[in-house]
Amino acid sequence: GAGVSQSPSNKVTEKGKDVELRCDPISGHTALYWYRQRLGQGLEFLIYFQGNSAPDKSGLPSDRFSAERTGESVSTLTIQRTQQEDSAVYLCASSLNSGGRYEQYFGPGTRLTVT
Amino acid sequence: GNSVTQMEGPVTLSEEAFLTINCTYTATGYPSLFWYVQYPGEGLQLLLKATKADDKGSNKGFEATYRKETTSFHLEKGSVQVSDSAVYFCALTGGTSYGKLTFGQGTILTVHP
Repeated sequence: GAGVSQSPSNKVTEKGKDVELRCDPISGHTALYWYRQRLGQGLEFLIYFQGNSAPDKSGLPSDRFSAERTGESVSTLTIQRTQQEDSAVYLCASSLNSGGRYEQYFGPGTRLTVT
Repeated sequence: GNSVTQMEGPVTLSEEAFLTINCTYTATGYPSLFWYVQYPGEGLQLLLKATKADDKGSNKGFEATYRKETTSFHLEKGSVQVSDSAVYFCALTGGTSYGKLTFGQGTILTVHP
């Protein structure tokens, strides 16, 4: 079946603008995760959804970042008033989280550049 | 908190050489351990996993054994190929089988013919 998809693949925006990043998880996967990868740094966890609720938002770096998930499917990560330090690749992952299947499968990422 | 430390790269090898990429971790409870690989221009892919002590994960000729006594999960391959050139990430989920992954910094591997 199809893997995790993300859109757009690339986004260039001006400082101060808002952006929305979209993630479509693997069908049937109840868990969804957002991470970011800044140049020269490792992957940072942002937020975790189980179904439509978010039991762990501990990685969101500021109140400019928010995310939602609807219908146990699509998730949107919104960054308001973007700053240059927000430039990164934003990765989404999903997992089944049942029957011993907890491994996460990643999408191709959205490369965000804030000018 | 949880943390993962990988050997610093880049690592450069000739084809058919033996590969080891060291990974050690700090975590509470009983984490699950993973190796992910990112080939040039591609997304992050799960390479192998181990969910309890002494488990050995293996895939595509790569192996890693969950060593609780040394808190390590070193990645090995007996004979690397040019196509193994990629960035390798060690990761764990802490305490439970699900939840956020904590990643190491990544190790760049380049294999020359």
